[in-house]
Amino acid sequence: NAGVTQTPKFRILKIGQSMTLQCTQDMNHNYMYWYRQDPGMGLKLIYYSVGAGITDKGEVPNGYNVSRSTTEDFPLRLELAAPSQTSVYFCASRNRQGPADTQYFGPGTRLTVL
Amino acid sequence: QKEVEQNSGPLSVPEGAIASLNCTYSDRGSQSFFWYRQYSGKSPELIMFIYSNGDKEDGRFTAQLNKASQYVSLLIRDSQPSDSATYLCAVSSGGYQKVTFGTGTKLQVIP
Repeated sequence: NAGVTQTPKFRILKIGQSMTLQCTQDMNHNYMYWYRQDPGMGLKLIYYSVGAGITDKGEVPNGYNVSRSTTEDFPLRLELAAPSQTSVYFCASRNRQGPADTQYFGPGTRLTVL
Repeated sequence: QKEVEQNSGPLSVPEGAIASLNCTYSDRGSQSFFWYRQYSGKSPELIMFIYSNGDKEDGRFTAQLNKASQYVSLLIRDSQPSDSATYLCAVSSGGYQKVTFGTGTKLQVIP
């Protein structure tokens, strides 16, 4: 049971390039989230999904796209990278069962756009 | 108005003291409330969640929720230097679907 995995761990992009950040969870959770965290700041919600085929925007969706074709995978696509997208990106899955409510985070992807 | 607000700190407490961390939220319909700890360069880890008014205790940690005042707090008893980290408050809203974080409070426990 690996939990939430993210690839790559680090990436440097040039302005205008595109890339996909991968996120996979093996806990069969319906809820998944993408956050970005700028230095010294909290987490800002980019997109979230409550199940395969269902996604919705968070606080800062501009410049990003997501898809959720399976329960396990929730990739985040950056189109036309900009320096403002330099950040650490965290993927999370969430388990809600009865009174229990737990969100599990991946290790993060550190992205630099130059 | 931000959805979830926290004092950024740093909050400094001596070892063995009680650390008190506070958080306010704007959406009166919010349902679940979380406290996460994040060490520098690491991902957040859940300390505890609360969804009913009142106190919830887990070891040295106590979460307190007051929905009327839209306020949630975390008390850490017998603070240890290993508790030094950033503490993030998060709130679930939008029919339990969306989870929004505050900017975090940095806690320093002084030996």
